[in-house]
Amino acid sequence: EVQLLESGGGLVQPGGSLRLSCAASGFTFSSYAMTWVRQAPGKGLEWVSAISGSGGSTYYADSVKGRFTISRDNSKNTLYLQMNSLRAEDTAVYYCAKDRRPTVTTVGYFDYWGQGTLVSVSS
Amino acid sequence: SYVLTQPPSVSVAPGQTARITCGGSNIGSKSVHWYQQKPGQAPVLVVYDDSDRPSGIPERFSGSNSGNTATLTISRVEAGDEADYYCQVWDSSSDHYVFGSGTKVTVI
Repeated sequence: EVQLLESGGGLVQPGGSLRLSCAASGFTFSSYAMTWVRQAPGKGLEWVSAISGSGGSTYYADSVKGRFTISRDNSKNTLYLQMNSLRAEDTAVYYCAKDRRPTVTTVGYFDYWGQGTLVSVSS
Repeated sequence: SYVLTQPPSVSVAPGQTARITCGGSNIGSKSVHWYQQKPGQAPVLVVYDDSDRPSGIPERFSGSNSGNTATLTISRVEAGDEADYYCQVWDSSSDHYVFGSGTKVTVI
Protein backbone atom coordinates (compact mmCIF):
# COMPACT_ATOMS: atom_id res chain seq x y z
CA GLU A 1 0.00 0.00 0.00
CA VAL A 2 1.36 3.39 -1.01
CA GLN A 3 1.75 5.77 1.92
CA LEU A 4 2.98 9.35 2.01
CA LEU A 5 3.45 11.02 5.38
CA GLU A 6 4.31 14.70 5.58
CA SER A 7 5.89 16.34 8.60
CA GLY A 8 7.69 19.53 9.57
CA GLY A 9 4.86 22.02 9.42
CA GLY A 10 4.21 24.58 12.10
CA LEU A 11 4.09 28.26 12.99
CA VAL A 12 6.95 30.43 11.74
CA GLN A 13 7.53 34.16 11.63
CA PRO A 14 7.70 36.07 8.34
CA GLY A 15 11.18 35.81 6.91
CA GLY A 16 11.80 32.53 8.68
CA SER A 17 12.57 29.07 7.36
CA LEU A 18 11.05 25.62 7.60
CA ARG A 19 11.86 22.23 6.10
CA LEU A 20 9.06 19.85 5.22
CA SER A 21 9.58 16.11 4.85
CA CYS A 22 7.51 13.45 3.14
CA ALA A 23 8.25 9.84 4.04
CA ALA A 24 7.20 7.42 1.32
CA SER A 25 6.51 3.71 1.47
CA GLY A 26 4.80 0.98 -0.54
CA PHE A 27 6.47 1.73 -3.87
CA THR A 28 9.92 2.07 -5.41
CA PHE A 29 10.49 5.68 -4.44
CA SER A 30 13.37 6.40 -6.82
CA SER A 31 11.27 5.30 -9.80
CA TYR A 32 8.81 8.17 -9.57
CA ALA A 33 8.84 11.91 -9.75
CA MET A 34 7.35 13.66 -6.74
CA THR A 35 5.64 16.97 -6.27
CA TRP A 36 4.51 19.42 -3.60
CA VAL A 37 1.08 21.04 -3.81
CA ARG A 38 -0.30 23.57 -1.34
CA GLN A 39 -3.72 24.83 -0.39
CA ALA A 40 -4.24 28.10 1.43
CA PRO A 41 -7.15 28.18 3.90
CA GLY A 42 -10.42 28.15 1.97
CA LYS A 43 -8.64 28.31 -1.37
CA GLY A 44 -7.86 25.99 -4.26
CA LEU A 45 -4.90 23.76 -5.04
CA GLU A 46 -1.62 25.39 -6.09
CA TRP A 47 1.29 23.40 -7.51
CA VAL A 48 4.53 24.37 -5.76
CA SER A 49 7.43 22.24 -6.98
CA ALA A 50 8.34 18.94 -8.61
CA ILE A 51 11.42 16.72 -8.81
CA SER A 52 12.33 13.79 -11.02
CA GLY A 53 12.92 10.34 -9.62
CA SER A 54 16.68 10.70 -9.83
CA GLY A 55 16.58 14.19 -8.34
CA GLY A 56 18.36 15.56 -11.38
CA SER A 57 15.53 17.79 -12.57
CA THR A 58 13.57 20.25 -10.48
CA TYR A 59 10.72 22.62 -11.24
CA TYR A 60 9.22 25.52 -9.29
CA ALA A 61 6.16 27.72 -9.37
CA ASP A 62 7.00 31.37 -9.97
CA SER A 63 5.60 32.24 -6.52
CA VAL A 64 8.29 30.22 -4.73
CA LYS A 65 11.23 30.19 -7.13
CA GLY A 66 14.39 31.39 -5.42
CA ARG A 67 12.93 30.85 -1.95
CA PHE A 68 12.01 27.15 -1.87
CA THR A 69 14.22 24.16 -2.70
CA ILE A 70 12.91 20.69 -3.42
CA SER A 71 15.15 17.67 -2.90
CA ARG A 72 14.96 13.96 -2.22
CA ASP A 73 16.98 11.24 -0.53
CA ASN A 74 16.23 8.02 -2.37
CA SER A 75 18.18 5.99 0.19
CA LYS A 76 15.74 7.19 2.84
CA ASN A 77 12.62 7.24 0.65
CA THR A 78 12.06 10.83 1.67
CA LEU A 79 11.10 14.00 -0.18
CA TYR A 80 11.94 17.44 1.20
CA LEU A 81 10.91 21.04 0.73
CA GLN A 82 13.22 23.67 2.20
CA MET A 83 11.28 26.91 2.56
CA ASN A 84 13.17 30.15 3.17
CA SER A 85 12.10 33.80 3.36
CA LEU A 86 8.59 32.73 4.25
CA ARG A 87 5.72 35.13 3.73
CA ALA A 88 2.19 35.31 5.08
CA GLU A 89 0.91 34.19 1.68
CA ASP A 90 2.82 30.92 2.05
CA THR A 91 0.38 29.90 4.80
CA ALA A 92 -1.23 26.69 3.58
CA VAL A 93 -1.56 22.96 3.95
CA TYR A 94 1.31 21.40 2.01
CA TYR A 95 0.73 18.04 0.34
CA CYS A 96 3.30 15.76 -1.18
CA ALA A 97 2.11 13.66 -4.10
CA LYS A 98 3.48 10.85 -6.23
CA ASP A 99 3.73 11.35 -9.98
CA ARG A 100 2.91 8.64 -12.49
CA ARG A 101 6.37 8.40 -14.06
CA PRO A 102 10.06 8.79 -13.19
CA THR A 103 10.27 12.14 -14.93
CA VAL A 104 8.03 15.19 -15.01
CA THR A 105 6.18 14.94 -18.33
CA THR A 106 3.43 16.56 -20.34
CA VAL A 107 1.05 13.83 -19.20
CA GLY A 108 1.99 13.90 -15.53
CA TYR A 109 -0.62 13.49 -12.82
CA PHE A 110 -0.66 12.65 -9.13
CA ASP A 111 -1.99 9.23 -8.23
CA TYR A 112 -1.26 9.25 -4.50
CA TRP A 113 -1.31 12.09 -1.99
CA GLY A 114 -0.31 12.49 1.63
CA GLN A 115 -2.65 13.98 4.22
CA GLY A 116 -0.78 17.26 4.33
CA THR A 117 1.05 19.37 6.89
CA LEU A 118 0.00 22.88 7.88
CA VAL A 119 2.43 25.78 7.58
CA SER A 120 1.41 29.04 9.22
CA VAL A 121 3.45 32.18 8.66
CA SER A 122 2.58 34.88 11.13
CA SER A 123 4.16 37.23 13.65
CA SER B 1 1.17 31.48 -17.83
CA TYR B 2 -1.50 28.96 -18.72
CA VAL B 3 -4.88 29.46 -17.04
CA LEU B 4 -7.57 26.87 -16.42
CA THR B 5 -11.06 28.26 -15.78
CA GLN B 6 -13.73 26.34 -13.87
CA PRO B 7 -17.19 27.45 -12.71
CA PRO B 8 -17.14 28.12 -8.96
CA SER B 9 -20.13 25.92 -8.28
CA VAL B 10 -22.48 23.36 -9.78
CA SER B 11 -25.71 22.19 -8.17
CA VAL B 12 -27.36 18.91 -9.07
CA ALA B 13 -30.20 16.76 -7.76
CA PRO B 14 -29.53 13.18 -6.70
CA GLY B 15 -29.72 10.80 -9.64
CA GLN B 16 -29.10 13.54 -12.18
CA THR B 17 -25.95 14.33 -14.16
CA ALA B 18 -23.34 16.92 -13.16
CA ARG B 19 -21.02 18.39 -15.77
CA ILE B 20 -17.97 20.35 -14.66
CA THR B 21 -16.08 22.29 -17.29
CA CYS B 22 -12.41 23.26 -17.42
CA GLY B 23 -11.57 25.89 -19.99
CA GLY B 24 -8.12 26.60 -21.39
CA SER B 25 -6.52 27.70 -24.62
CA ASN B 26 -6.40 24.67 -26.93
CA ILE B 27 -6.77 22.40 -23.91
CA GLY B 28 -7.79 19.63 -26.30
CA SER B 29 -4.10 19.23 -27.17
CA LYS B 30 -3.20 18.51 -23.55
CA SER B 31 -3.82 15.61 -21.21
CA VAL B 32 -6.31 16.65 -18.54
CA HIS B 33 -6.64 15.07 -15.12
CA TRP B 34 -9.34 15.52 -12.48
CA TYR B 35 -9.28 15.36 -8.69
CA GLN B 36 -12.03 15.15 -6.08
CA GLN B 37 -11.46 16.74 -2.69
CA LYS B 38 -13.84 16.37 0.22
CA PRO B 39 -13.63 18.71 3.24
CA GLY B 40 -10.62 18.04 5.43
CA GLN B 41 -9.25 15.38 3.09
CA ALA B 42 -6.48 15.13 0.54
CA PRO B 43 -7.39 15.21 -3.15
CA VAL B 44 -8.16 11.94 -4.93
CA LEU B 45 -7.55 11.29 -8.62
CA VAL B 46 -10.84 10.44 -10.35
CA VAL B 47 -9.99 10.79 -14.06
CA TYR B 48 -6.63 10.85 -15.86
CA ASP B 49 -5.58 11.29 -19.47
CA ASP B 50 -8.86 13.05 -20.30
CA SER B 51 -11.13 10.04 -19.82
CA ASP B 52 -9.48 7.12 -18.01
CA ARG B 53 -10.48 6.09 -14.50
CA PRO B 54 -8.13 4.79 -11.80
CA SER B 55 -9.09 1.49 -10.25
CA GLY B 56 -11.75 1.92 -7.60
CA ILE B 57 -13.36 4.98 -9.18
CA PRO B 58 -16.99 4.31 -10.17
CA GLU B 59 -17.94 4.24 -13.86
CA ARG B 60 -20.27 7.13 -13.08
CA PHE B 61 -17.21 9.39 -13.42
CA SER B 62 -16.19 10.11 -16.99
CA GLY B 63 -14.26 12.75 -18.87
CA SER B 64 -13.87 14.32 -22.28
CA ASN B 65 -11.59 16.91 -23.81
CA SER B 66 -11.83 18.83 -27.07
CA GLY B 67 -11.06 22.27 -28.37
CA ASN B 68 -10.89 24.75 -25.53
CA THR B 69 -12.92 22.77 -22.97
CA ALA B 70 -12.46 19.63 -20.93
CA THR B 71 -15.44 18.20 -19.06
CA LEU B 72 -15.84 15.92 -16.06
CA THR B 73 -19.24 14.22 -16.03
CA ILE B 74 -20.72 12.59 -12.96
CA SER B 75 -23.73 10.44 -13.83
CA ARG B 76 -26.39 9.33 -11.37
CA VAL B 77 -25.07 11.74 -8.77
CA GLU B 78 -25.07 10.59 -5.16
CA ALA B 79 -24.84 12.56 -1.93
CA GLY B 80 -21.32 11.25 -1.47
CA ASP B 81 -20.18 13.00 -4.66
CA GLU B 82 -20.50 16.36 -2.95
CA ALA B 83 -16.97 17.78 -3.05
CA ASP B 84 -14.61 20.21 -4.75
CA TYR B 85 -13.30 19.12 -8.15
CA TYR B 86 -10.09 20.35 -9.79
CA CYS B 87 -8.72 19.90 -13.29
CA GLN B 88 -4.95 19.78 -13.89
CA VAL B 89 -2.58 19.89 -16.86
CA TRP B 90 1.11 20.37 -17.63
CA ASP B 91 2.03 23.67 -19.26
CA SER B 92 5.01 23.03 -21.53
CA SER B 93 5.63 26.72 -22.17
CA SER B 94 6.45 27.38 -18.53
CA ASP B 95 7.36 23.87 -17.32
CA HIS B 96 4.69 24.16 -14.65
CA TYR B 97 1.87 21.97 -13.52
CA VAL B 98 -1.38 23.97 -13.46
CA PHE B 99 -4.59 23.42 -11.50
CA GLY B 100 -7.96 24.85 -12.29
CA SER B 101 -9.64 27.13 -9.79
CA GLY B 102 -11.93 24.38 -8.57
CA THR B 103 -15.67 23.68 -8.70
CA LYS B 104 -17.81 22.96 -5.68
CA VAL B 105 -20.45 20.35 -6.48
CA THR B 106 -23.51 20.56 -4.27
CA VAL B 107 -26.11 17.80 -4.24
CA ILE B 108 -29.45 19.49 -3.61
